[in-house]
Amino acid sequence: ETGVTQTPRHLVMGMTNKKSLKCEQHLGHNAMYWYKQSAKKPLELMFVYSLEERVENNSVPSRFSPECPNSSHLFLHLHTLQPEDSALYLCASSPGLARGNEQFFGPGTRLTVL
Amino acid sequence: EDKVVQSPLSLVVHEGDTVTLNCSYEVTNFRSLLWYKQEKKAPTFLFMLTSSGIEKKSGRLSSILDKKELFSILNITATQTGDSAIYLCAVETNAGKSTFGDGTTLTVKP
Repeated sequence: ETGVTQTPRHLVMGMTNKKSLKCEQHLGHNAMYWYKQSAKKPLELMFVYSLEERVENNSVPSRFSPECPNSSHLFLHLHTLQPEDSALYLCASSPGLARGNEQFFGPGTRLTVL
Repeated sequence: EDKVVQSPLSLVVHEGDTVTLNCSYEVTNFRSLLWYKQEKKAPTFLFMLTSSGIEKKSGRLSSILDKKELFSILNITATQTGDSAIYLCAVETNAGKSTFGDGTTLTVKP
């Protein structure tokens, strides 16, 4: 247990569905991250939030929409996804951007888009 | 564009062997280099390196950073089958952006 939880752990959705991934950290951290891990590809950083403000968006398609209502919760809203979006989506948190970045990862959500 | 290259991409050894994994990088505004171990799902943190020449050690694992030559190595001594995993190297910038390498897949045979 790293102190970072993600739900659901598995999700199957059609291309016209709308769903959300949830991440919660119980570590008192100020920064949270969404990563995508596809088969045979390195981890890709999608979004970075620090103190609930987005600080990085690595050219992610608009069909992925993050939301960070407070420093403990991070959501990834999904709509009109494509089959190539099937991947493991990992959430991580760290104490803060300015204090070093020992990131703690959640268990991930395995997403399959049909 | 920031780049992190790990080598080798895969490695097969026998229990008791010592292995060295390499990570080289080219990034703007380097802040730290991190090593992770990924077995089935999410990566687990191993080391964070920010200063050159200072070895970090945890049991049979150790790591060191060379900021002049822009690389780091991860050593595992007396390997065990439980060390089989993908070892990821990531480099973080002052802006908080992390770039990951492709990973080294280590297989330790009994």
